[in-house]
Amino acid sequence: DAKTTQPTSMDCAEGRAANLPCNHSTISGNEYVYWYRQIHSQGPQYIIHGLKNNETNEMASLIITEDRKSSTLILPHATLRDTAVYYCIVSPVNQAGTALIFGKGTTLSVSS
Amino acid sequence: GAGVSQSPRYKVAKRGQDVALRCDPISGHVSLFWYQQALGQGPEFLTYFQNEAQLDKSGLPSDRFFAERPEGSVSTLKIQRTQQEDSAVYLCASSSEVTNQPQHFGDGTRLSIL
Repeated sequence: DAKTTQPTSMDCAEGRAANLPCNHSTISGNEYVYWYRQIHSQGPQYIIHGLKNNETNEMASLIITEDRKSSTLILPHATLRDTAVYYCIVSPVNQAGTALIFGKGTTLSVSS
Repeated sequence: GAGVSQSPRYKVAKRGQDVALRCDPISGHVSLFWYQQALGQGPEFLTYFQNEAQLDKSGLPSDRFFAERPEGSVSTLKIQRTQQEDSAVYLCASSSEVTNQPQHFGDGTRLSIL
């Protein structure tokens, strides 16, 4: 079973920031938080991952709480192309070959 | 491009037929995974290869499912005597051996069993 809890769906207006929450209260000290998204009819796309520090890349920012029990993925200026299912996944550090365990994710709908 | 490539993108087969699904991982990626995604669900792990060695096949749902990666690059997932419950999207992902590098997915093969 997935070790994360996410809202089923969220809406966001185009151009506004999309903040997607994720609870992972049972996360272990050796587990990263990964975010993927899946646009309709495509495979999951890697977005970002982090251990305990906040991370930012060209796609998004990841904010992890100090106790590491929850995190937020931030898309700073959502566009229609960001409409997708977003998956928050915890996975062990330094374990090549570890399968990702997906939950049902959050369906983000961006509208104009 | 240089991403994970899967073929065919769509496959329709009659119940009882055998099918073969192909995955071309990113060049140089040692790790290769197969996942199955049912409609409305997240992907679920099937099997894992490190180079040509199949190190984990715990997710394969039955002995009708078989995967191979004989030369440590291209992989094939074979399903024998297909059944309707095998209808799903089959996803392949690859990753490098560099620590904590993410898995990169192909766009999958949508299999429909009639």
